[in-house]
Formats: sequence, structure tokens, C-alpha cells
Amino acid sequence: GQNIDQPTEMTATEGAIVQINCTYQTSGFNGLFWYQQHAGEAPTFLSYNVLDGLEEKGRFSSFLSRSKGYSYLLLKELQMKDSASYLCAVKDSNYQLIWGAGTKLIIKP
Amino acid sequence: ETGVTQTPRHLVMGMTNKKSLKCEQHLGHNAMYWYKQSAKKPLELMFVYSLEERVENNSVPSRFSPECPNSSHLFLHLHTLQPEDSALYLCASSTGPSSGANVLTFGAGSRLTVL
Repeated sequence: GQNIDQPTEMTATEGAIVQINCTYQTSGFNGLFWYQQHAGEAPTFLSYNVLDGLEEKGRFSSFLSRSKGYSYLLLKELQMKDSASYLCAVKDSNYQLIWGAGTKLIIKP
Repeated sequence: ETGVTQTPRHLVMGMTNKKSLKCEQHLGHNAMYWYKQSAKKPLELMFVYSLEERVENNSVPSRFSPECPNSSHLFLHLHTLQPEDSALYLCASSTGPSSGANVLTFGAGSRLTVL
């Protein structure tokens, strides 16, 4: 079966750095997405990786290793507004999106 | 505002009621989706419409009935639901369902409670 694993919950301190991991086992691979979802709001797109390596977008970076079936989302200089759930999703060989259950990130002052 | 608007935001219904969820997108996208989001579970894809034609129906019970009258509007008709159907129902749109990099734009969801 197809599966995406990510931690259920993480806690970090304002101003610090946090890394949210995502591992996947899918039938084929056509890209990996990260979305952010604040409580009661729509999930919003953060990043897309299809090639190995690091993609940086301001305070957020996303890394992909296809050989290891592994990605991480790195958040730097954490702010209170970064408290949210972070969803990892992979497109398989049929372009179906396989979703993880999400990681709830709690930022403490 | 994401460009995808869902109404109502909250809905409470009894098991014998009939209600509908509405989704409207103002992004010029060709594909629209219904997802179910339950606490601590992955998003579950329910239906996909591409150019107003249903292209996917993921073994969803018949008490959920989608309707896509045009490429900007999507409905989910609800009838004789069960308490386990209580969840957040998310609508999304994209430029097309099958390309690799197409990004989903979500609405804020309709929180459904079935009593």
C-alpha cells in the first residue's frame, strides 16, 4: 500500500529552527508538496520538490531525497504565526496525491 | 481569501436531513475536488471534476452526491448521513488533475456535524 509518515505534533520556540520530516512509500513519484493549514483555515501551498536537493523560499526550505523516500520542511526564525499544521503529499505514478496526516507545530514564546 | 469560497462554513444536520455544500472558484481553473478531512487522518479524496466531467469517484457512499454545473461551481449534496460523516469538507481547484506540478487551491472548508 501507499503511505506517508510524518510526526503528529512538534513543539518549538519562537526564533528557533524546526525540521518537519516526511517519509513516503508510493507507487512511483511525480513530485512532493508541502501545505500549511492554520486552524479553521484553508490549506495553502508552501513548496513543490520533484528533483533531489534543497529548495529555499525565504524562511522556509524544503528538501527531497528520492532514493531515500524522504523530505523535510525547514522553518527558520520561527514566529508565532507559524503555529499550524503542515501537510506532506506525494503524487504517485498515476498523478494521484497521497497525503500524510499532517504535523501540528506549536510555537512557544 | 484564496479564490475558492465554500458555504456554509458550519452545518449541523440530523441523519434524515438533506443539505448541500457549495463551492465557487474565481481562479479560472479547470478541475475541482471534494476532500474529507477528519482529525489526525490524511485528506481523503472524494470526487474530482475536470471540465465539468466527473473523472474520479473514490468509492464514496451514495449518500454523498456531487454536482458540477459549470467549471466555477461545485456542490456536494448530502442525504441521510451518519454521525461518522462529521468532518471538515474541503473544496479545491487546480489547472488540471493530472499534471505533475499543478497546485491545489483550497477553500476554508465546511465543518459538518451530523447528530
